Amino acid sequence: LAKTTQPISMDSYEGQEVNITCSHNNIATNDYITWYQQFPSQGPRFIIQGYKTKVTNEVASLFIPADRKSSTLSLPRVSLSDTAVYYCLVGELDTGRRALTFGSGTRLQVQP
Amino acid sequence: EADIYQTPRYLVIGTGKKITLECSQTMGHDKMYWYQQDPGMELHLIHYSYGVNSTEKGDLSSESTVSRIRTEHFPLTLESARPSHTSQYLCASSVTEYSYNEQFFGPGTRLTVL
Repeated sequence: LAKTTQPISMDSYEGQEVNITCSHNNIATNDYITWYQQFPSQGPRFIIQGYKTKVTNEVASLFIPADRKSSTLSLPRVSLSDTAVYYCLVGELDTGRRALTFGSGTRLQVQP
Repeated sequence: EADIYQTPRYLVIGTGKKITLECSQTMGHDKMYWYQQDPGMELHLIHYSYGVNSTEKGDLSSESTVSRIRTEHFPLTLESARPSHTSQYLCASSVTEYSYNEQFFGPGTRLTVL
């Protein structure tokens, strides 16, 4: 399974765009990149998933360069409610007998 | 809204007691997972199942056991609880379709062993 590296923490202010980058140098050909969000005392929640280039949904955008060795989660115009831990996961979609590893995540603190 | 349930939400119990944490999902997902997470720390996978009658241990060694007799039900049991088992336990299930995979998490059970 590809190992991921994310910043431990980030700070931002309301209304700003936040970009969280994840490094995954040994990503495999069949691996996808998935991001989850976790609020305190809750389970993680799926945000976005992609394989290459750019993916956008109503919550975030995911930018993946051609070499796929990193990815960037972009949160447009964050609010206080976006304060959470964000996890980057890399692995095959149908992991069969394996499961993805969440890692330490990035703790995002949004200030007023 | 994900239909995955965990009971109890909170449990305080004495050392040596046997406990079972319940997890059920109504989405028909084949794969289910148990994670353990201490406050502010990483999620650690302790068990997973990719279908009825199949279970595997996760990355973190755990003294707990699991069973998967029905698709929708994935209970976790501790035969003799100890203070070191104090943690939050999160259950999840997942669906895999073409070019898409998502894990749905339950609300968690916060276990305190005195």
